[in-house]
Amino acid sequence: GIQVEQSPPDLILQEGANSTLRCNFSDSVNNLQWFHQNPWGQLINLFYIPSGTKQNGRLSATTVATERYSLLYISSSQTTDSGVYFCAAANQAGTALIFGKGTTLSVSS
Amino acid sequence: DGGITQSPKYLFRKEGQNVTLSCEQNLNHDAMYWYRQDPGQGLRLIYYSQIVNDFQKGDIAEGYSVSREKKESFPLTVTSAQKNPTAFYLCASSTGTLQQTQYFGPGTRLLVL
Repeated sequence: GIQVEQSPPDLILQEGANSTLRCNFSDSVNNLQWFHQNPWGQLINLFYIPSGTKQNGRLSATTVATERYSLLYISSSQTTDSGVYFCAAANQAGTALIFGKGTTLSVSS
Repeated sequence: DGGITQSPKYLFRKEGQNVTLSCEQNLNHDAMYWYRQDPGQGLRLIYYSQIVNDFQKGDIAEGYSVSREKKESFPLTVTSAQKNPTAFYLCASSTGTLQQTQYFGPGTRLLVL
């Protein structure tokens, strides 16, 4: 099945800094999602982005399907951005979203 | 408010005991899912259901069972056959198939005594 790898595993930022999180996947996908898990465990869907670019406030995401990667950009980071960011993907033959191991982001004031 | 609720928030299981985790949604979604998350890991799919009275095994279904008698409800039973049940369990739903945005509940933490 499809494999999903995220980098970096950990990221420490000062408030106001920008960051880029990367997700590589091993096969073509028709479903690619980014999630944020807060310190209490709640998962929030950030983007459904199997291809192209989307923006939502300070967050944006780009998926280059032909090169099998997706990027999540966080600009002007805030302490509330802390948590774990997951990328999850599925291909047409797959029966499940496959999650990466996540990037743990810590933003300090 | 529309959303997904899970109960209880924390659950303790004794050896040899079956326990049931509740998941309810009022989003009118057809598809529902159960995931398991272990510390420092991503989520792994246990079971999913695309329609009432039908469900399929995910990657790690052994030791678990589900039912889907109502569109709104998808309870998960952790049986005594699951030898390592301590984990964080997350329920999700989506409008249709797996090729849709998924929305998650707040999760249940299961601990074995």
